Amino acid sequence: EAQVTQNPRYLITVTGKKLTVTCSQNMNHEYMSWYRQDPGLGLRQIYYSMNVEVTDKGDVPEGYKVSRKEKRNFPLILESPSPNQTSLYFCASSPLAGGEETQYFGPGTRLLVL
Amino acid sequence: AQTVTQSQPEMSVQEAETVTLSCTYDTSESDYYLFWYKQPPSRQMILVIRQEAYKQQNATENRFSVNFQKAAKSFSLKISDSQLGDAAMYFCAYRSANNAGNMLTFGGGTRLMVKP
Repeated sequence: EAQVTQNPRYLITVTGKKLTVTCSQNMNHEYMSWYRQDPGLGLRQIYYSMNVEVTDKGDVPEGYKVSRKEKRNFPLILESPSPNQTSLYFCASSPLAGGEETQYFGPGTRLLVL
Repeated sequence: AQTVTQSQPEMSVQEAETVTLSCTYDTSESDYYLFWYKQPPSRQMILVIRQEAYKQQNATENRFSVNFQKAAKSFSLKISDSQLGDAAMYFCAYRSANNAGNMLTFGGGTRLMVKP
């Protein structure tokens, strides 16, 4: 089954404790992206990747890091989480960047930072 | 920068009736794409329908259709014959055709309730 998976689905952590949220897609997509969703704000892009070893900042990159060492994986790293990073996070992928490609979303990861 | 506005935080509809969700956007570009995504309680983001700005014909997908008014920068979603399973948050989204980052700009969402 073609899908985008994220782990963990739920996470409670404390301020300053490094964490990683994994994202994996099995569709051989080149493009991958991370969004965060906050009430009333919809989804906002954090980082994106056009291909392996190619990443760039989205709208709200502060406090986050990403890496793209393999085509299928695009982990989101919070080096020192803070309470304002409490949010619902989505990973998305598409065959190519731009054009008419539709993005496919993962199931979401709910993060609570105490 | 582009912005997307959904002016209806909540809407309700009777089962089997028709409902229209509103979306307006602001852009100076002429080439772009518009989307409606559905987010059920499971929190999954599901693509409902998409519209290419260069196409004058409104997109339709079964019971879902859009009213795309490019000059007015309006992109409403009509759901016909509403079903209980249509209850969800609905997000309107915009993407520039020239955005290398492929970034989707989302509205704040509309919660749709379906009454049996």
